[in-house]
Amino acid sequence: QKEVEQDPGPLSVPEGAIVSLNCTYSNSAFQYFMWYRQYSRKGPELLMYTYSSGNKEDGRFTAQVDKSSKYISLFIRDSQPSDSATYLCAFSSGSARQLTFGSGTQLTVLP
Amino acid sequence: NAGVTQTPKFQVLKTGQSMTLQCAQDMNHEYMSWYRQDPGMGLRLIHYSVGAGITDQGEVPNGYNVSRSTTEDFPLRLLSAAPSQTSVYFCASSYSYSGQGAAQHFGDGTRLSIL
Repeated sequence: QKEVEQDPGPLSVPEGAIVSLNCTYSNSAFQYFMWYRQYSRKGPELLMYTYSSGNKEDGRFTAQVDKSSKYISLFIRDSQPSDSATYLCAFSSGSARQLTFGSGTQLTVLP
Repeated sequence: NAGVTQTPKFQVLKTGQSMTLQCAQDMNHEYMSWYRQDPGMGLRLIHYSVGAGITDQGEVPNGYNVSRSTTEDFPLRLLSAAPSQTSVYFCASSYSYSGQGAAQHFGDGTRLSIL
């Protein structure tokens, strides 16, 4: 079993839709949970950061962590064509000297 | 504020050639790392450094060397290029390797083709 599983998509939605992106993980030591957004031919940029279980909201974006189910989600409300990108989940245990990334979900928001 | 700067942006090499990918950051970050990104495989860690003079191997270190003589710079050397090293290479830096400080800042990548 892979340490992190992320549906690669591609996912295509109409403008204004609510988007749900998900990752599952198997490492119980993960305590820090991140979402990165990567536009075509660019480096990933940090979108959301959460610690432990719960929700965190930032504008149209909500990150959700369920440690009991080893499942994290990113919700995008009122999606815009500018949200079209690849979204990567990332995890850190705090003690390991590296992040573990999902393989990314490619999202297209159609005008 | 430039953040993380990678050069060159594109490079084509022949099998067996060597080259150095440059990475510089101006955020005074202690932690720097190199990843390669291949379709369907996400980001895989090649080497990382937790400070000047300290480097360690990541998940896929074979065929690559690194050194860290200053806080700002973290070059990646391909010793003898192979077609399997065709990839997009990203350099990243962060304040630390744990907690919220581990959130990494990425450069825009070097697209490398080995013929």
